[in-house]
Amino acid sequence: AQKITQTQPGMFVQEKEAVTLDCTYDTSDQSYGLFWYKQPSSGEMIFLIYQGSYDEQNATEGRYSLNFQKARKSANLVISASQLGDSAMYFCAMRFNFGNEKLTFGTGTRLTIIP
Amino acid sequence: DTGVSQDPRHKITKRGQNVTFRCDPISEHNRLYWYRQTLGQGPEFLTYFQNEAQLEKSRLLSDRFSAERPKGSFSTLEIQRTEQGDSAMYLCASSFLLTGGGSQETQYFGPGTRLLVL
Repeated sequence: AQKITQTQPGMFVQEKEAVTLDCTYDTSDQSYGLFWYKQPSSGEMIFLIYQGSYDEQNATEGRYSLNFQKARKSANLVISASQLGDSAMYFCAMRFNFGNEKLTFGTGTRLTIIP
Repeated sequence: DTGVSQDPRHKITKRGQNVTFRCDPISEHNRLYWYRQTLGQGPEFLTYFQNEAQLEKSRLLSDRFSAERPKGSFSTLEIQRTEQGDSAMYLCASSFLLTGGGSQETQYFGPGTRLLVL
């Protein structure tokens, strides 16, 4: 079955430290896309970063980077130099193949940045 | 460039009533999606449109749910005879389908409509 797993329900991190949020997935498809979204308490899902299954390099967007290990089927999000505004829910999501348009989400990780 | 907007942001209704939500996508986006998110869970796909055509519906979308996108722009999601189990956040997202398909088609989400059925 195609599934996204986020094993960390909650994390507390000191401000300015780096943090890694875990995401593993299960699929037999070869073509897929991986996304990370941030959801503050206001509710809006904010797109952070994308990784395609055939991308050879790990994606980076400012302080966000995606540690993509295809053989392990993991796509961990790394946030460098965390800030208080990073406190939010973080969701890993996947398009399991490119004829299947919907996103499948994990259960999320609540990140709290401590001053 | 304005983002995805949704109206209303909050809705409280009594069981058995009908409710309708509206979503306005990013103006040049030709795909529009509806998701439902319950407490402590990630969003779950309900349905999506490409232009005005509804191309896929989830099994979650019971007969009481109907969605439209009549002119390929805004969309409405109606729930008839609401039940307490319908209480959730309803999220709309839009994306732009690249000609010939694209490996990166990012969905951009609106702020959601929080529904509470009493």
